Amino acid sequence: QKEVEQNSGPLSVPEGAIASLNCTYSDRGSQSFFWYRQYSGKSPELIMSIYSNGDKEDGRFTAQLNKASQYVSLLIRDSQPSDSATYLCAVNWGRDDKIIFGKGTRLHILP
Amino acid sequence: DVKVTQSSRYLVKRTGEKVFLECVQDMDHENMFWYRQDPGLGLRLIYFSYDVKMKEKGDIPEGYSVSREKKERFSLILESASTNQTSMYLCASSGNGNTIYFGEGSWLTVV
Repeated sequence: QKEVEQNSGPLSVPEGAIASLNCTYSDRGSQSFFWYRQYSGKSPELIMSIYSNGDKEDGRFTAQLNKASQYVSLLIRDSQPSDSATYLCAVNWGRDDKIIFGKGTRLHILP
Repeated sequence: DVKVTQSSRYLVKRTGEKVFLECVQDMDHENMFWYRQDPGLGLRLIYFSYDVKMKEKGDIPEGYSVSREKKERFSLILESASTNQTSMYLCASSGNGNTIYFGEGSWLTVV
């Protein structure tokens, strides 16, 4: 059974703090991992992709991948109210291009 | 920038009507997808296509069909709309590297 699991939240984080979002997946063959941000009433937009174990940084965002433990995380530094959204973790299923999404974590940045 | 265009943003249809949702992408992507998104259920894959005239069922294909006659266009068809198909429908495309890019979404209400 293919699964991508995320805590639904809401996760409340004070403005300026670090927000940490986590995701686990069930398919050991997965090679591609993505984080999307979705504002209410809008479509998801890509934040980051990561393919190798370790950290990948882009501005205030850092994605972390651990294939052995089958988890991927997203850190948001210096959180801003505009970061309040639902964050979707996505993972490719097996060796093909089919992408499976978690149900998302709602993040609320407290001013 | 990748552009995925869903021609109908908001539709209201009657039960039993045939509904067409059109999607066009401008990046020559091989892969195209149709998802629906419902509160608490996340993004669920309806159908996807790896190539022209090729289609594969996703997780919830019942009540839907698709058509891909040209590489840039992927249509979702509801043969006989029902109230449980009221949802937001998201079209997406991807090329090499698996990154999925979404259209703006189509909000369908079936009454």
